[in-house]
Amino acid sequence: SQTIHQWPATLVQPVGSPLSLECTVEGTSNPNLYWYRQAAGRGLQLLFYSVGIGQISSEVPQNLSASRPQDRQFILSSKKLLLSDSGFYLCAWSETSIAYYNEQFFGPGTRLTVL
Amino acid sequence: GDSVTQMEGPVTLSEEAFLTINCTYTATGYPSLFWYVQYPGEGLQLLLKATKADDKGSNKGFEATYRKETTSFHLEKGSVQVSDSAVYFCALSDPPQTGGFKTIFGAGTRLFVKA
Repeated sequence: SQTIHQWPATLVQPVGSPLSLECTVEGTSNPNLYWYRQAAGRGLQLLFYSVGIGQISSEVPQNLSASRPQDRQFILSSKKLLLSDSGFYLCAWSETSIAYYNEQFFGPGTRLTVL
Repeated sequence: GDSVTQMEGPVTLSEEAFLTINCTYTATGYPSLFWYVQYPGEGLQLLLKATKADDKGSNKGFEATYRKETTSFHLEKGSVQVSDSAVYFCALSDPPQTGGFKTIFGAGTRLFVKA
């Protein structure tokens, strides 16, 4: 069966510090991968998505970046965090097969607080 | 572009009450429709889905019917429990056959169920 992991679970970082959040998927190959951010009490904002290794599409221009160095690994990074980067970061994956209707499977999330 | 609109919350109900959370969508094609649920401090998980008009998705006592004529996918449950307290997201995704691989989420509706 497929599983998705995210770490760390919680993170407290000072303004201006770098960031690296990691997401890995097990039990499938060539998944579509996604990074979302959820501000407190708000809905989901799609940040990045990837349909293959090295293929990254950005939905929102900001000081974050994403990379996919391996088929089932998706990394979210920043060189200098802003206060507004605080939030709950969710990684998700979906099958690329047309039989799966883009159902998304979410990780447990990383709660980031920037002070 | 495609969009999803769902009723604002929070919705507060007593245990065993009837639940309806309204959701309407705008799409140029024939999307698949989903309801996801997010329990406190967790990622989202799929609650139910419908992939074509008049389909009814159901799970854990929740139901939603894909109504193409009214572009709606309202979530219902006949008798809610305290454990149903969560945030509910309506979502759509264009078919993978047409190149769709992103999911559009509504803003979420928070449900509180009192004992």
